[in-house]
Amino acid sequence: DAGVIQSPRHEVTEMGQEVTLRCKPISGHNSLFWYRQTMMRGLELLIYFNNNVPIDDSGMPEDRFSAKMPNASFSTLKIQPSEPRDSAVYFCASSLRQGGLGTQYFGPGTRLLVL
Amino acid sequence: AQRVTQPEKLLSVFKGAPVELKCNYSYSGSPELFWYVQYSRQRLQLLLRHISRESIKGFTADLNKGETSFHLKKPFAQEEDSAMYYCALKGQGAQKLVFGQGTRLTINP
Repeated sequence: DAGVIQSPRHEVTEMGQEVTLRCKPISGHNSLFWYRQTMMRGLELLIYFNNNVPIDDSGMPEDRFSAKMPNASFSTLKIQPSEPRDSAVYFCASSLRQGGLGTQYFGPGTRLLVL
Repeated sequence: AQRVTQPEKLLSVFKGAPVELKCNYSYSGSPELFWYVQYSRQRLQLLLRHISRESIKGFTADLNKGETSFHLKKPFAQEEDSAMYYCALKGQGAQKLVFGQGTRLTINP
């Protein structure tokens, strides 16, 4: 298994543009997490899904951010419109949720720069 | 509220010296604690978890509920240990991981 796959690996865009980040979890995993990493705030959980259903989106900063998981093998995180303060590394992680356990496996991240 | 504090952003030690990365947490129940590591140009990966009580790559960490700490230790540091280390907490029955700010460990030759 190639592990969690994220695309693109790097994204440079201008303020106001729409940005879509993509994630393919590990096959068979039933939980998916989106994190954001910045120098100021470290690693923060944005949202997570169980069996494709959003469970907790309390970490989503504002309405400009949205996440979907249309099926077990794909998720997107969209920012519209993007702003310079959204510049960060965005990580996706997946796990197999069994009785509350389940190690989270992280993707390589997408480095986003909004100019 | 759940909180994880790693007081050192940077830590530098010489090869062969002992290393300790500090982690303190705030949680009212029984947490599950983890250490994640990110080597240069690699993805974040689990190093160890307190319930396993295992030693990985020579690292150990003991959960001290009295001091609410989960410090990561290794008796003899190696150059390949240079990386970013994150302490993380998961609440009882929860799935969310709350991360500390991370400590960048540099092992000098």
